[in-house]
Amino acid sequence: EAGVTQSPTHLIKTRGQQATLRCSPISGHTSVYWYQQALGLGLQFLLWYDEGEERNRGNFPPRFSGRQFPNYSSELNVNALELEDSALYLCASSRGGSEGTEAFFGQGTRLTVV
Amino acid sequence: AQSVTQPDIHITVSEGASLELRCNYSYGATPYLFWYVQSPGQGLQLLLKYFSGDTLVQGIKGFEAEFKRSQSSFNLRKPSVHWSDAAEYFCAVGALLTGGGNKLTFGTGTQLKVEL
Repeated sequence: EAGVTQSPTHLIKTRGQQATLRCSPISGHTSVYWYQQALGLGLQFLLWYDEGEERNRGNFPPRFSGRQFPNYSSELNVNALELEDSALYLCASSRGGSEGTEAFFGQGTRLTVV
Repeated sequence: AQSVTQPDIHITVSEGASLELRCNYSYGATPYLFWYVQSPGQGLQLLLKYFSGDTLVQGIKGFEAEFKRSQSSFNLRKPSVHWSDAAEYFCAVGALLTGGGNKLTFGTGTQLKVEL
């Protein structure tokens, strides 16, 4: 069974540009979570999508957004990139509802803003 | 709000020695607790989890952890460390969200170095 896959592995953008990161969950999982792992800030919860809807978001500005597609894959968009957005972005998936207590993580996308 | 403290930023052990990584949490209800491991430049791999029941939980790669409610702790242990265990270890507490989601709050991590 394939795990959570993320693309691209690495992404280099210029300040002010937009970045798009993609995530494919494990088959049968309907929930997708995004986390940011920035140097000095640790792992922080960004967004949760379930059944195509944004269900919860962490303490991040609105320029961090995303969506979930009918096949449950997800996209994270970061607009107006700032240098401090440089981080490893991790996607995780889980089953929906009360079974969704265990999350499985992908390998991450390393975003570098120059 | 929930929080997790991992008091040891770096730990060095000799191969074959025992290991204990400390984790303290703060959460208003019965917590869902996790330990993840991260190798350099990689994602997170789940080592073990505690939801309820037996307070001593077994995980993969020979790891175990013990939930102690009175001490708000969930320490990770391994009887004999292997060189391949060198990595960063994260303790996390899960908060249930409306709709059934589980938001993880992570500690700052403990970097484990194994001396041969």
